[in-house]
Amino acid sequence: NAGVTQTPKFQVLKTGQSMTLQCAQDMNHEYMSWYRQDPGMGLRLIHYSVGAGITDQGEVPNGYNVSRSTTEDFPLRLLSAAPSQTSVYFCASRGTGGLYNEQFFGPGTRLTVL
Amino acid sequence: AQKITQTQPGMFVQEKEAVTLDCTYDTSDPSYGLFWYKQPSSGEMIFLIYQGSYDQQNATEGRYSLNFQKARKSANLVISASQLGDSAMYFCAMREGYGQNFVFGPGTRLSVLP
Repeated sequence: NAGVTQTPKFQVLKTGQSMTLQCAQDMNHEYMSWYRQDPGMGLRLIHYSVGAGITDQGEVPNGYNVSRSTTEDFPLRLLSAAPSQTSVYFCASRGTGGLYNEQFFGPGTRLTVL
Repeated sequence: AQKITQTQPGMFVQEKEAVTLDCTYDTSDPSYGLFWYKQPSSGEMIFLIYQGSYDQQNATEGRYSLNFQKARKSANLVISASQLGDSAMYFCAMREGYGQNFVFGPGTRLSVLP
């Protein structure tokens, strides 16, 4: 199992450009999430999905779009990048059932917006 | 309101000694889960330990234990016999209910001294 994979690992964008961060998992997990990590603030939830076709907003959704057409994939789209979106982005997945199910994180994507 | 508080931005501990990393949380949901993650300098998020709100006993995983004091809403991580490889950022996180809305604290940077 590859677990949770993210591409690219690094990306530099200019203000106003758009791009898609890719996330895939091969554990047949229903739940998937996107977080951003900024210095001193821990991880903040951007969007999440509880299954194919179902997405919802997290704490900081503005400027980002998501869709979930398959169980495996959960891409994050930046429509018009801004310097405030410079961050490290993590994708995570977990199975369903019970209070306990640990999240498995991808390796992260470091995004810089100039 | 801050749902997860980690009041120690940085901690130092001597190798082979025990260290406690503090975490307090705020929720009115009777069903919740508490998680600790380790993030080494390489950047990946590593799951360490979980405590459920209905668990009667404190969780333990090898050298990690969770000091769960429900009435005080605290979930401190105890690392016994610290090793140099324990130097990392440590994040406390909470999931309320059975959903996917995880909230992370700002983290504590632990440095283990030889």
